[in-house]
Amino acid sequence: QSALTQPPSASGSPGQSVTISCTGSSSDIGAYNYVSWYQQHPGKAPRLMIYEVTHRPSGVPDRFSASKFGNTASLTVSGLQADDEADYYCSTYAGLDTYGGVIFGGGTRLTVL
Amino acid sequence: QLQLQESGPALVKPSETLSLTCTVSGGSIRGNNIYWGWIRQPPGGAPEWISTGYYTGDTYYIPSLRSRATMSVDASKNQFFLKLHSVTAADTAVYYCARRGGTTFFDYWGQGSLVTVSS
Repeated sequence: QSALTQPPSASGSPGQSVTISCTGSSSDIGAYNYVSWYQQHPGKAPRLMIYEVTHRPSGVPDRFSASKFGNTASLTVSGLQADDEADYYCSTYAGLDTYGGVIFGGGTRLTVL
Repeated sequence: QLQLQESGPALVKPSETLSLTCTVSGGSIRGNNIYWGWIRQPPGGAPEWISTGYYTGDTYYIPSLRSRATMSVDASKNQFFLKLHSVTAADTAVYYCARRGGTTFFDYWGQGSLVTVSS
């Protein structure tokens, strides 16, 4: 399984927008529209924010948006709020022999200045 | 509202077996095309998917743990289980159970269970 690469940190001021990247390969991100994004506050379970590249589950603010171009996926948080400060993980399909298993990126800590 | 809750020992000795239970409430584990999974996260690290299973007993594993992990489902109790054999300190992590909501994403998670492997 390949690794997904995320920047270790990102930051922005309240009200600003910040984009977090997730780089994979032509075998994972580039091959399937199965990119998901999770938000995790300290001591809490991950929360699904985006699935299948661009879709938001019910209850996720539309300030969160995502896209994919080639082997890189991106999550954009607009109108930054204090509660957006958290770790963000991308994930994608792990391969045919895992039947829907996933691999995760290393995570990006988002700081709201 | 669907809820998941992990339970099991917080401390396991090296070379022994880690055993966890996930109890599902607010919904049936027998849902059509609904899969269930285990994910772990070492302290300070990223999540790592371990396994996915269906109520019929079909299970799938991350290749690196396939020889040591066993996932099972008891639909009558609305529970599923994880056993990880021959553990080492590297298996110390918070273990989450979760529902696979569609193709490759997990939309409902338990609160997590910290398991420490130490003598």
